[in-house]
Amino acid sequence: SALTQPASVSGSPGQSIAISCTGSTSDIGKYQYVSWYQQHPGKVPRLLLYEVSNRPSGISSRFSGSKSGNTASLTISGLQTEDEADYYCTAFGSSPIFGGGTKVTVL
Amino acid sequence: EVQLVESGGGLVQPGGSVRLSCATSGFTFTHFYMTWIRQAPGKGLEWVGHVRQDGGNQHYSDSVRGRFTISRDNAMNSLFLQMNSLMADDTAMYYCVRDSGFFRFEYWGHGIPVTVSS
Repeated sequence: SALTQPASVSGSPGQSIAISCTGSTSDIGKYQYVSWYQQHPGKVPRLLLYEVSNRPSGISSRFSGSKSGNTASLTISGLQTEDEADYYCTAFGSSPIFGGGTKVTVL
Repeated sequence: EVQLVESGGGLVQPGGSVRLSCATSGFTFTHFYMTWIRQAPGKGLEWVGHVRQDGGNQHYSDSVRGRFTISRDNAMNSLFLQMNSLMADDTAMYYCVRDSGFFRFEYWGHGIPVTVSS
């Protein structure tokens, strides 16, 4: 089944926000293969983090990740207007599964 | 520069078939698993399946297993998705994606829409 994410999270510019991604002992709780993606409206998803907390080249250090038990989290620090987008987590269980997505609104 | 370019989508009748292609360049194609991911209109992302570097092993999501087939032509650096017995729920944007290792979906094509409707 899909990973559970909050439908929406909001924050003011400069603030920090966190997006949770809850799975189970069969996926997030078992493996380090958690990734996060950002998708602006009408655009292609972009990889933000892989293996819980690793950033690909070119991704801002404002994006960070962690995991505790069956829940992974994406933190966006110093929130900026361009961070307004949909965010998806994915994890490996018996096969890769995605969260339902979280819409981030910058107030 | 890594490039992935999908083609072959369009309008298909329920029960019909369509074959998507993905032409790649800018990397050593034979080094990577290749993946298809889809996104229904207004919905989230869904992993469809992937194929191993040598094309000899594929895995699929429960929703498409038995109807979809992923293949690759390593000589042409191309990935394919054969979609049969299509249903309305298969209507989505289909993305060709390079797995850079351990389900790190690092490079995405622009996507190709498939609409299943009579």
